[in-house]
Amino acid sequence: DTGVSQNPRHKITKRGQNVTFRCDPISEHNRLYWYRQTLGQGPEFLTYFQNEAQLEKSRLLSDRFSAERPKGSFSTLEIQRTEQGDSAMYLCASSLGPGRGRAGEQYFGPGTRLTVT
Amino acid sequence: KQEVTQIPAALSVPEGENLVLNCSFTDSAIYNLQWFRQDPGKGLTSLLLIQSSQREQTSGRLNASLDKSSGRSTLYIAASQPGDSATYLCAVSGNTPLVFGKGTRLSVIA
Repeated sequence: DTGVSQNPRHKITKRGQNVTFRCDPISEHNRLYWYRQTLGQGPEFLTYFQNEAQLEKSRLLSDRFSAERPKGSFSTLEIQRTEQGDSAMYLCASSLGPGRGRAGEQYFGPGTRLTVT
Repeated sequence: KQEVTQIPAALSVPEGENLVLNCSFTDSAIYNLQWFRQDPGKGLTSLLLIQSSQREQTSGRLNASLDKSSGRSTLYIAASQPGDSATYLCAVSGNTPLVFGKGTRLSVIA
């Protein structure tokens, strides 16, 4: 048990619907990351936060995707107008920031598997 | 742009064998390198973290080495067991986000 939790674990939705996923990081971790993984591939970076600030977004994150971490604790990832190509495992990870302990070591949650029909 | 390659893509070995998984990366300016294990349909479990100033890390039957100058890392698994069957992923961190390889799918046959 890494301590990162994600909900829901599975989501099936129809094309065009909006979906929202939640991630709760390890409590003392100030950095939170979102990745997407498709079958047979390694995870691909989407975005990350340090506390409540969103510091970097991948080009993979189209304008249909939005992520928030309003109080620097849990984060949500919303996908609007879902497409079949959005079907994937969405992974959340957290870590300590620079200068703190094992900075940069990322701990992953169990993921949310999204299926768009 | 950082690229990470893992060889082989799949490996099947008999129980008890020692084995080596390989990882190479194109940009040697990394902050750290992490090895993960992923079981089918599950999230990632961190196995070992090697910071850029380190050469190797050990945990139980696992030993990972890092050669930044040549852009290579190896994960050595001693006395493999059927419970080691999983996909092993290597990831490197530059400024912040991890860049992953596609993984090596390991099967240990009893």
